[in-house]
This record gives sequence, structure tokens and C-alpha cells, in this order.
Amino acid sequence: AQKITQTQPGMFVQEKEAVTLDCTYDTSDPSYGLFWYKQPSSGEMIFLIYQGSYDQQNATEGRYSLNFQKARKSANLVISASQLGDSAMYFCAMRGHNTNAGKSTFGDGTTLTVKP
Amino acid sequence: DGGITQSPKYLFRKEGQNVTLSCEQNLNHDAMYWYRQDPGQGLRLIYYSQIVNDFQKGDIAEGYSVSREKKESFPLTVTSAQKNPTAFYLCASSPGGAPYNEQFFGPGTRLTVL
Repeated sequence: AQKITQTQPGMFVQEKEAVTLDCTYDTSDPSYGLFWYKQPSSGEMIFLIYQGSYDQQNATEGRYSLNFQKARKSANLVISASQLGDSAMYFCAMRGHNTNAGKSTFGDGTTLTVKP
Repeated sequence: DGGITQSPKYLFRKEGQNVTLSCEQNLNHDAMYWYRQDPGQGLRLIYYSQIVNDFQKGDIAEGYSVSREKKESFPLTVTSAQKNPTAFYLCASSPGGAPYNEQFFGPGTRLTVL
């Protein structure tokens, strides 16, 4: 079975500062993908960044980077230079290859509030 | 523009009625998914389909049914057997079930049972 744990229900950050959102995972699949999504108050889910389990380097997409520590089974999202528009709920998710092929498992999310 | 459409955006139903939520994609994706989201919580998988005419139960399939007769369509029926159907429902699609395939989401349908 797959499991995603996000231990921070809510986070606050000052505008223009960096923030790290935590994500730990558990899976028996040797090959898997890790994703982060942003969900504004409108409800849509916006894909942010992807990390493959065999990728040697941490993924980066603009102001988003993923701090992947495979041995610790963690995939933390780092948002640099926070903007007011970053205020939203953030979800970590994973997809397995073998036992959980085709399925995604989501964490409970972290609500990020950016303060001016 | 390619994407996923869900209709309606808001849906109200009386207790005991079945209701069908629409999900259409023009991304030519093989895999499609239905999720349920309760307030302040994450997404839970209801059903998923990796190919036309085939689908599998997710983690919370009881009280729901789906069909996948066309590649671009994956409607979800919330039946009267679903005990607490009020929730936000999200449909998603992906090119396939491989771990590197991201999921693309529709705008969601907010279902309220009166």
C-alpha cells in the first residue's frame, strides 16, 4: 500500500521569503513518482513539480524545487520568493509502478498563507 | 484548447436520488480518474480506468458507479446507496498509468444533498 503524510496542516510565510512544505511517503514499489499540486480556493488542482524515484537530481520548476531524500522517504516542496498568489492548499501525491499501477495517493494537504 | 471539462459546477440533489456527474477530456489520454474531496482534506480515489471498457474500484467505491464506453468520457453516478455524498468531486486524466505521468484535473463539481 502507498501512504503520503503531510504533517503541517497550516503554514505561514512572509511575502518574498522561502518556505518548505513537508512530505513523507511509504511504498513497496521500487519505481514511483512523486508530485506536488496546488489547489487555490477555486478548487482546481494545478500541477507544480514531479520527481521520479530514480532521478539523480532534485527537480526544479521556476520558483518550485523538490528536496528529494530517498533514504528518508521525504519529498519536501520548497517555494522561493513567496508571492501573495501562492496562498493555497498544497498536496503531495505519489504513483507506483507495480502493485499500485495507475493509482495515485494524496496526502491531506498543507494550507499555505502568504502574509504581505 | 485541450483540457478536461466537468459539469455541472454545482449540483443539488434530494436524498434518495441518483445523480450523474459528467467528465470529458480531449487530451487523448488513456487513463481517467474520479476523486472525492471533503472539506479540509485530501483526495480519495473512487474509481479509475486505464483503458476504454475497463475500470477498477479505488479506495471508496461503495455507493458509486462508472462507465467508460468512450475514451474521452468517464461519467460518475452517485447512487442513493452512498451514505454521505455531499462533497467536491474531481475528475482527472493522464496519458497512462506510469509513475511519471502527471494527472490533469478538471475544475470539479460540488455536490450537495439536501
